[in-house]
Amino acid sequence: GAGVSQSPRYKVAKRGQDVALRCDPISGHVSLFWYQQALGQGPEFLTYFQNEAQLDKSGLPSDRFFAERPEGSVSTLKIQRTQQEDSAVYLCASSLETRTYEQYFGPGTRLTVT
Amino acid sequence: AQTVTQSQPEMSVQEAETVTLSCTYDTSESNYYLFWYKQPPSRQMILVIRQEAYKQQNATENRFSVNFQKAAKSFSLKISDSQLGDTAMYFCAFMKHFQGAQKLVFGQGTRLTINP
Repeated sequence: GAGVSQSPRYKVAKRGQDVALRCDPISGHVSLFWYQQALGQGPEFLTYFQNEAQLDKSGLPSDRFFAERPEGSVSTLKIQRTQQEDSAVYLCASSLETRTYEQYFGPGTRLTVT
Repeated sequence: AQTVTQSQPEMSVQEAETVTLSCTYDTSESNYYLFWYKQPPSRQMILVIRQEAYKQQNATENRFSVNFQKAAKSFSLKISDSQLGDTAMYFCAFMKHFQGAQKLVFGQGTRLTINP
């Protein structure tokens, strides 16, 4: 079956622009995570959904970051008024309710803010 | 809060050799999972191996095995008979063992190069 997909794969934004990054989890996966991976670093947690409920958003770096998953499937990570420090790869991962320790990752969206 | 430390930013070995990647972590939790993930160049993160903290036996997956030392909070990955396709970034990660999904806490990564 299809894995986690993310779009766009690459995004270049001018500083101050708003961007929206999409994640399509594996069908039937209840849990969905967003991580931010700066160049040469390990991924860092941003936020977590169980179905449509956002249960943890403690990793969002500022109120410019907003995530949603309105129907419990596709999720969108929105960044308003992008800054250069937002440049990173944004990874999405999903997992089954019964195997929450197995997170399947998407290919990521590489965001470059110029 | 949990932290994961990988002290080897880069490693390089010849094909067919054995290589060990180091990882230490800090937690006050008694039950948790530890993982090694592989991230090939321009490709997505995939799980290599998983260890549950309550299990004393070290996990193995074909050429990949771990040395889990709970008291020392150490979790190293051994790759035997290394292959060119093992070239990648390797991340050690920690997850609390709670009901429901939990976030992964990653180390900084080790860039492994397998030379022909």
